Amino acid sequence: QSVLTQPPSVSGAPGQKVTISCTGSSSNIGAGYDVHWYRQFPTTAPKLLIYGDTKRPSGVPDRFSGSKSGASASLTITGLQADDEADFYCQSYDISLRGPVFGTGTKVTVL
Amino acid sequence: QMQLQESGPGLVKPSETLSLVCDVSGDSIRGSTYYWGWFRQPPGKGLEWIGACHYTGTTYYNPSLKSRLSITVDVSENQFSLQLTSVTAADSAIYYCARVRGGSGWYSDPWGQGTLVTVSS
Repeated sequence: QSVLTQPPSVSGAPGQKVTISCTGSSSNIGAGYDVHWYRQFPTTAPKLLIYGDTKRPSGVPDRFSGSKSGASASLTITGLQADDEADFYCQSYDISLRGPVFGTGTKVTVL
Repeated sequence: QMQLQESGPGLVKPSETLSLVCDVSGDSIRGSTYYWGWFRQPPGKGLEWIGACHYTGTTYYNPSLKSRLSITVDVSENQFSLQLTSVTAADSAIYYCARVRGGSGWYSDPWGQGTLVTVSS
């Protein structure tokens, strides 16, 4: 039921920068609702990584940054590390759903 | 530090009711700025919002599940519950509970560790 579109996978070498896109519509991101990002390691629960488009919870390194423009958002990881390998999900609020909507998820691979 | 823990049967028969409880520790569920939400994730697939409740009893349901769904809160026990009726194999998933911050965007933090529910006879 995902209505936010993400690339299935992105990859990069250690130390490089990768960017994950998240495309929504006028009923969610485009309507001005905040975008949040979660990181999920295998067999564990999602964990909040970015909230309110650009804010990092305590303990999240500044290698992770978020941005938003129009109906799209992006998560950028700089200085890629081996333990960054995980699945990443964007999330916003959808007017039609009257609740949270998630992205399709992106698997980050460190080459 | 707030923690959430899901509990309930790991196996439910088709057409029966799935019931889960989320125990909240480390803080009171009686917080006006928060909702308490349920999410699910079929193994190997993406996340789906199921619904949420406020400690006052106000509920918000995913329209695709609304006809089968009930979420309730028990302030005295500091827990909230999920009931999903008439389940099918499509309801097999890891079910998570989480604290949901309202406002613009509704983000969830923290999450419980999740509990796998399989619908099978």
